[in-house]
Amino acid sequence: GAGVSQSPSNKVTEKGKDVELRCDPISGHTALYWYRQSLGQGLEFLIYFQGNSAPDKSGLPSDRFSAERTGGSVSTLTIQRTQQEDSAVYLCASSLGGGSEGNTIYFGEGSWLTVV
Amino acid sequence: DAKTTQPPSMDCAEGRAANLPCNHSTISGNEYVYWYRQIHSQGPQYIIHGLKNNETNEMASLIITEDRKSSTLILPHATLRDTAVYYCIVRSLGAGRRALTFGSGTRLQVQP
Repeated sequence: GAGVSQSPSNKVTEKGKDVELRCDPISGHTALYWYRQSLGQGLEFLIYFQGNSAPDKSGLPSDRFSAERTGGSVSTLTIQRTQQEDSAVYLCASSLGGGSEGNTIYFGEGSWLTVV
Repeated sequence: DAKTTQPPSMDCAEGRAANLPCNHSTISGNEYVYWYRQIHSQGPQYIIHGLKNNETNEMASLIITEDRKSSTLILPHATLRDTAVYYCIVRSLGAGRRALTFGSGTRLQVQP
């Protein structure tokens, strides 16, 4: 597709279960970002991938959160042993190259996660 | 990262220009100013960006002061669809950090 694609668009899970969220970046984009946004709150940076470099994981809130990016394209964000405070919309974004100024970052529509 | 300060909310009459200010007094010389908006928790939408010159595109204009410590996003003829949260962001060049840092933004309400 032309834009950043995320799936599932909505996920309801029970507390303690693991969830996986998927992101397909724009074709050719080497930089990929994950953010989350809790209800009524601002965007919170989680993790950043740039090409084959080690990811910047500085925004991950706990060791229950992890992400990988296979083949430099698709990324999966995994949340283990989900808690109610994990409920949020998880946004993926991509750009042509994170290190070069002037590259615009494009966002997907997000995956809404509700932990009950 | 240079921090930004924006008013929490603004109102604008439909058809009038909306002028959204942003303060970024600690911006460094090689950092760009980006503007995004977010409508109803959809994914943020890119609007415009600039370094030191004023910029204009089909959506908006960006006016950056000569000292680069503040900027203004101008929507020339606001419509109801422009009601959204507008984020002013300074792009970090910190080592290994290329993500945009979002603040709390300005909630623009366009009134009919």
